[in-house]
Amino acid sequence: GAVVSQHPSRVICKSGTSVKIECRSLDFQATTMFWYRQFPKQSLMLMATSNEGSKATYEQGVEKDKFLINHASLTLSTLTVTSAHPEDSSFYICSAYTGTGIYEQYFGPGTRLTVT
Amino acid sequence: GDSVTQMEGPVTLSEEAFLTINCTYTATGYPSLFWYVQYPGEGLQLLLKATKADDKGSNKGFEATYRKETTSFHLEKGSVQVSDSAVYFCALRPTDSWGKLQFGAGTQVVVTP
Repeated sequence: GAVVSQHPSRVICKSGTSVKIECRSLDFQATTMFWYRQFPKQSLMLMATSNEGSKATYEQGVEKDKFLINHASLTLSTLTVTSAHPEDSSFYICSAYTGTGIYEQYFGPGTRLTVT
Repeated sequence: GDSVTQMEGPVTLSEEAFLTINCTYTATGYPSLFWYVQYPGEGLQLLLKATKADDKGSNKGFEATYRKETTSFHLEKGSVQVSDSAVYFCALRPTDSWGKLQFGAGTQVVVTP
């Protein structure tokens, strides 16, 4: 089946620094990737939709300048959390969508970000 | 707006017991409905889906029927195994959305031997 990887799986950074999270589709091309945020014991919250070669579309309330998304190729999207603060600590999950009509998103294993 | 409500967990049950996880939704039009499963340390996997009213999705012994009259998509399995221990998410894709998913809060299921 389709596999999506995320790197790193866990990261700890100091307040004020930036962190980049990679999302890769390993065996298929993803025209669209989604980035979600999951708080403990809560649901996934869609942050943004990333289309290859174009600007990401952010959901209401998500700061574009804080969460920079780049989708430079059909197999890679990156999320950069800029000037991170402790409240940005969360579990970030990406998914990849082929856009071919199967209507299935393939999810990565997630990245645990802790900002100290 | 669109929303998904599912029963809170954790749900703890013994092996071979019957499992039901309730899921109801609020949406306009005719959304597609999904159940995803997240095993410990892994990403979400699609378990089953239904794209129109009265459709029944099934996979790995799990079933769910799209009930438009009750706006529900309850997940059931007749005989659970320890390996079914996971977090289960109900989700919908709105009628006018080609990819976006709206998730429920997730229900943790713990199956004991």
